[in-house]
Amino acid sequence: DVKVTQSSRYLVKRTGEKVFLECVQDMDHENMFWYRQDPGLGLRLIYFSYDVKMKEKGDIPEGYSVSREKKERFSLILESASTNQTSMYLCASSQADTRFAFFGQGTRLTVV
Amino acid sequence: AQSVTQPDIHITVSEGASLELRCNYSYGATPYLFWYVQSPGQGLQLLLKYFSGDTLVQGIKGFEAEFKRSQSSFNLRKPSVHWSDAAEYFCAVEPNQAGTALIFGKGTTLSVSS
Repeated sequence: DVKVTQSSRYLVKRTGEKVFLECVQDMDHENMFWYRQDPGLGLRLIYFSYDVKMKEKGDIPEGYSVSREKKERFSLILESASTNQTSMYLCASSQADTRFAFFGQGTRLTVV
Repeated sequence: AQSVTQPDIHITVSEGASLELRCNYSYGATPYLFWYVQSPGQGLQLLLKYFSGDTLVQGIKGFEAEFKRSQSSFNLRKPSVHWSDAAEYFCAVEPNQAGTALIFGKGTTLSVSS
């Protein structure tokens, strides 16, 4: 079975903390993505990467950064967490040619 | 800019009744088209996809979708809904260009009444 694994299902962090969300895929996929999901807004793309050490900004990159040092791992970093970053974060991966993405279970982050 | 519209925020259907969820996209060329489903507390699962060819595509769990180029639509259908189909459904497009990502609609929540 293909698998995208997010390191935490639930996280609670304090305002101003640096937060790392980790995502690992075992399918040797080239592309990896981070989305944020909020009620009524659907999924919004934060960053994506189509190769190791490559990254592209999505629709809402402000306040976030990413790291992809290895093909299987894509990290989302909140440099200084704020309450408006409380959300569900979804990681996904896809092959370069097939386009459809496999999703992880999501990380529900609460910033207090 | 590319966009995806799901006009219905919430739909309630009786168990055993038919279902149609609407999706319209805005894009110059024909993109890749997808429907995903999300059960409560879960990630997204791919229901079906359209890349090219036959405009009626079959997916998992008895779902199908029809691509209509003239209407820029990709509506999801199921002839008989089961209580376990209650979930949130997302339509998505991928512009079919290098270095692009899935663009999602805002989702439609399906409730199933007995």
